[in-house]
Amino acid sequence: AAGVIQSPRHLIKEKRETATLKCYPIPRHDTVYWYQQGPGQDPQFLISFYEKMQSDKGSIPDRFSAQQFSDYHSELNMSSLELGDSALYFCASSLGTGLYNEQFFGPGTRLTVL
Amino acid sequence: AQSVAQPEDQVNVAEGNPLTVKCTYSVSGNPYLFWYVQYPNRGLQFLLKYITGDNLVKGSYGFEAEFNKSQTSFHLKKPSALVSDSALYFCAVRDMSGTYKYIFGTGTRLKVLA
Repeated sequence: AAGVIQSPRHLIKEKRETATLKCYPIPRHDTVYWYQQGPGQDPQFLISFYEKMQSDKGSIPDRFSAQQFSDYHSELNMSSLELGDSALYFCASSLGTGLYNEQFFGPGTRLTVL
Repeated sequence: AQSVAQPEDQVNVAEGNPLTVKCTYSVSGNPYLFWYVQYPNRGLQFLLKYITGDNLVKGSYGFEAEFNKSQTSFHLKKPSALVSDSALYFCAVRDMSGTYKYIFGTGTRLKVLA
């Protein structure tokens, strides 16, 4: 069965650079969630989209922005990167935003900021 | 606000012995609880969930979890541990506001010793 795809899997950037992370949800899934997992930390919710509209927002820095496109894939854009942005970024997708709609997680993108 | 707590940073168990990874929750209303496992440099893999019904939930790879409302706990268990079970385990609860995003515990590292 098709799973959530994230690209790239690994990314190395310098401080103050920009990065774009991509998430391709499971086919027919219309909802995407982004989570950030710092080293030794639990995943923290950043932002979510439903039907191409932002549906919820968590602890996402102003330097980050995200959007969901017409094909439901999502991109997380990160500017003015800081060392503290080094983390594993997970994307999850679901069919709808309801309580019973399970989220399926991608393998993550590991971002290293030097 | 919804939250889960994992009181143990690490659990060590001998191969073949039963294992328990603890999780307690704090929610308003009915809890919707999950367990995920994370292997090194990998994404989050779903193990099991409790929505309603039987207090003993069976999941993947021989894992099960016991929901205890009076103790507000949702401990993960397995009758006989394998070395390959060594990983990071996260308990999570669905946030009852917004789009039901996941709120994760801090994780418990399970080490199964041969």
